[in-house]
Amino acid sequence: GAGVSQSPSNKVTEKGKDVELRCDPISGHTALYWYRQSLGQGLEFLIYFQGNSAPDKSGLPSDRFSAERTGGSVSTLTIQRTQQEDSAVYLCASSLGRVTGELFFGEGSRLTVL
Amino acid sequence: GESVGLHLPTLSVQEGDNSIINCAYSNSASDYFIWYKQESGKGPQFIIDIRSNMDKRQGQRVTVLLNKTVKHLSLQIAATQPGDSAVYFCAENKSGGSNYKLTFGKGTLLTVNP
Repeated sequence: GAGVSQSPSNKVTEKGKDVELRCDPISGHTALYWYRQSLGQGLEFLIYFQGNSAPDKSGLPSDRFSAERTGGSVSTLTIQRTQQEDSAVYLCASSLGRVTGELFFGEGSRLTVL
Repeated sequence: GESVGLHLPTLSVQEGDNSIINCAYSNSASDYFIWYKQESGKGPQFIIDIRSNMDKRQGQRVTVLLNKTVKHLSLQIAATQPGDSAVYFCAENKSGGSNYKLTFGKGTLLTVNP
């Protein structure tokens, strides 16, 4: 499709398991972002990729969180040894990478850790 | 620290009325601001943006006002419709750096009563 695609849309896992969330950005967008949204809260920045530059990982809450972006396109957010506090909606966005401009968001992956 | 916040977490209006959603920001270096709308179960969608060299910008039924003196941003929606019911987020960014990373507020829930 033409928009940002995320999968899975819903993921239920047990505490301690690892999960992978996938983001397929809009074709041609050089910038890709991951945000986390807890219930009733705003968007918490996690990580930002821009072209071939080193990613901005300043928002990752712990070393259990990592992300990669292969070939400048698809990105995977990995959460190891999930905890209940990791339960949230994980939103991916992409943009043309200009200093100002619109971010296009996917519909998110809802993670529930039991 | 740097933050983007909102004066009112919820707003309820009658259909046809005008709505005003407010946002305060604390980073005086921020020079680009965006309003996003998030409907239930969906990712945020861009509404309108404004740069700090402007104090007003109009779109279709929406107007964003920026008061840099008091670091205040507002979104005005004219003739509010039931389809406008959503959570509205303001976001800020400081351009000029190598990274483009929006900082989001917690959001205001707008409910439009028919």
